[in-house]
Amino acid sequence: DTAVSQTPKYLVTQMGNDKSIKCEQNLGHDTMYWYKQDSKKFLKIMFSYNNKELIINETVPNRFSPKSPDKAHLNLHINSLELGDSAVYFCASSRSETGLSGNTIYFGEGSWLTVV
Amino acid sequence: LAKTTQPISMDSYEGQEVNITCSHNNIATNDYITWYQQFPSQGPRFIIQGYKTKVTNEVASLFIPADRKSSTLSLPRVSLSDTAVYYCLVGKGTDKLIFGTGTRLQVFP
Repeated sequence: DTAVSQTPKYLVTQMGNDKSIKCEQNLGHDTMYWYKQDSKKFLKIMFSYNNKELIINETVPNRFSPKSPDKAHLNLHINSLELGDSAVYFCASSRSETGLSGNTIYFGEGSWLTVV
Repeated sequence: LAKTTQPISMDSYEGQEVNITCSHNNIATNDYITWYQQFPSQGPRFIIQGYKTKVTNEVASLFIPADRKSSTLSLPRVSLSDTAVYYCLVGKGTDKLIFGTGTRLQVFP
């Protein structure tokens, strides 16, 4: 069983469209994250939710809106897509808030978003 | 900003031991040191975590000197499949979640 699964794996869409990426974890973790990895391979945190509550919101355009219907799911919705949004988006989870010492972060396989 | 500094890249040959050092001069008393591995087209994967001295698991060893201002990830007898990017993270709270540039390890036959 995949611990952290995200869909779709690949997504090609036109500028201006709205798209969503879904994420689910079956590890029973309380905290989930979204990371963005750009073409230069820098991995940056975007959001973190703990028990469905937003706890980290980095400097991300408000076109990006995370939604957590329950603690096992954290979806990412992106409005009015731009060329610069092209990247790999990773969902992740950890046992407790912000990956406290002694915890580890489990990542999904990534969603490759290409905006044309 | 990442609180760690690592070499950008390293090359090795199959069968050799590889040591990747990470500098974290501002490590706090309660911070752990965690290493992740990322293969192309995959998400990062936990390798090892430690607080002080030495930690060993089936994949790697982690050496941490007494002052904890650096740490060394040791991969014994690397193979081609160890070609990946290795990230060192330190801290707690939100700092723990900041990935630096990582070290790109290339293993040659």
